[in-house]
Amino acid sequence: DTGVSQDPRHKITKRGQNVTFRCDPISEHNRLYWYRQTLGQGPEFLTYFQNEAQLEKSRLLSDRFSAERPKGSFSTLEIQRTEQGDSAMYLCASSPGGSGRALAGNEQYFGPGTRLTVT
Amino acid sequence: AQSVSQHNHHVILSEAASLELGCNYSYGGTVNLFWYVQYPGQHLQLLLKYFSGDPLVKGIKGFEAEFIKSKFSFNLRKPSVQWSDTAEYFCAVNAGRGSTLGRLYFGRGTQLTVWP
Repeated sequence: DTGVSQDPRHKITKRGQNVTFRCDPISEHNRLYWYRQTLGQGPEFLTYFQNEAQLEKSRLLSDRFSAERPKGSFSTLEIQRTEQGDSAMYLCASSPGGSGRALAGNEQYFGPGTRLTVT
Repeated sequence: AQSVSQHNHHVILSEAASLELGCNYSYGGTVNLFWYVQYPGQHLQLLLKYFSGDPLVKGIKGFEAEFIKSKFSFNLRKPSVQWSDTAEYFCAVNAGRGSTLGRLYFGRGTQLTVWP
C-alpha cells in the first residue's frame, strides 16, 4: 500500500497522560499536514511541514501539542497532559511539493486517521 | 479568516434522484476549491477540484461542480445518485498567500443517504 499511513488507528488514554501519533506520508511527497476532526465537523488544520521545516501552526495547536518531522519523512504529533477536549480524530495528509499557485492546487492525500479517546 | 459553509447537514434521496449540495466560502481573493468524500469506514478522498479555467469541473463517479465567483459558491451536483454514493461530502477551500498556501479550510460536511 503506497498511501498515507497512520499509527495507531485508535488510542484510549486517561486524562493527564501523554500520547504520540505517527504519520508516514506518500514517499515522494514533501508536504505533510495534520488536521483534527471532531464529531459533526469538518477537519480543522493544525500544522504543516515542508520537508523537515514546520511552516505554519494553527492557533488550535496549544503548547501541549508538538509536531516533528525530523528527517523530512514520517512525522509525529505529541499531545502532553491530555484533556477530554482533545478527544477527536487526528488526520494526516501529504501532497507533492511545488510553489505558489501550483502548490495551492495540489491534492492532499489523507490517511485513515488516529481516533483518540481521553477518559 | 476564511470560512466554508455547507448548509445541508443531512440529505436523504432515493436512487436516481438528482443531487445538489451547496458550498459557500468567504474569501475575496484567488481560491482553489475541492470536494472530498468519505465513504463509510474509509478515509477522505478527492472527488474533484477547481484550480483555474473552466468553472464547471467534472470529477470521479459522475460528479461535477460549478464555481460561481460572484456568488462565492462551489456547488456539487450529480444527475442521478446511486446507493453507493451514500457518504459524507466535504467542501474545502485553499486560499491565502505565501506559507498559508496549501492549508485547507473545510466545511462541516453533508451526510448523504441514498435509499435503494
